[in-house]
Amino acid sequence: GIQVEQSPPDLILQEGANSTLRCNFSDSVNNLQWFHQNPWGQLINLFYIPSGTKQNGRLSATTVATERYSLLYISSSQTTDSGVYFCAVENSNSGYALNFGKGTSLLVTP
Amino acid sequence: DAGVTQSPTHLIKTRGQQVTLRCSPISGHKSVSWYQQVLGQGPQFIFQYYEKEERGRGNFPDRFSARQFPNYSSELNVNALLLGDSALYLCASSLEPGPYTFGSGTRLTVV
Repeated sequence: GIQVEQSPPDLILQEGANSTLRCNFSDSVNNLQWFHQNPWGQLINLFYIPSGTKQNGRLSATTVATERYSLLYISSSQTTDSGVYFCAVENSNSGYALNFGKGTSLLVTP
Repeated sequence: DAGVTQSPTHLIKTRGQQVTLRCSPISGHKSVSWYQQVLGQGPQFIFQYYEKEERGRGNFPDRFSARQFPNYSSELNVNALLLGDSALYLCASSLEPGPYTFGSGTRLTVV
């Protein structure tokens, strides 16, 4: 099946710093989503972005489908941004499954 | 508008027992998916249902089954529970195509 690699695996930032999270995938996709999982386990959808660029407040994402990667940018980080960020992809061979990466664990310190 | 609701939130079962987890999708969403997440890993796909039909199944044993009702709500059943079934079970609903909205999950502990 399609492989999803996320980097870095862990990240510690001071409040106010910016960061870039990367997601590489092994095949063409028709569905790519970024999620934030808070410490209580709730998965929040950040972006549905199979291609192109989107922005939502301090967060933005870019997917370059032809080069098989996506980037999530977090600017002016806040302690509430802490948690695990997952990239998940789906393609015509995945049988309607969203395949998740292992995630990037982010800790933002005051 | 209500989000995806799952019940119960927590559950403790004994090995060999059976469990039923429930999910109500966002109004208008016809697609419901189930995922299992064990500690420290990303969610793993179990099932997807669309218009009451199973459309996709992940690599899980036949002890796992699901169904979708005419109102698009869904149940996940797990028989003959094993210790390794202890996990967070997540339900998601979506329009087609579109972003997934996940519920808060059911945390299952098998003892």
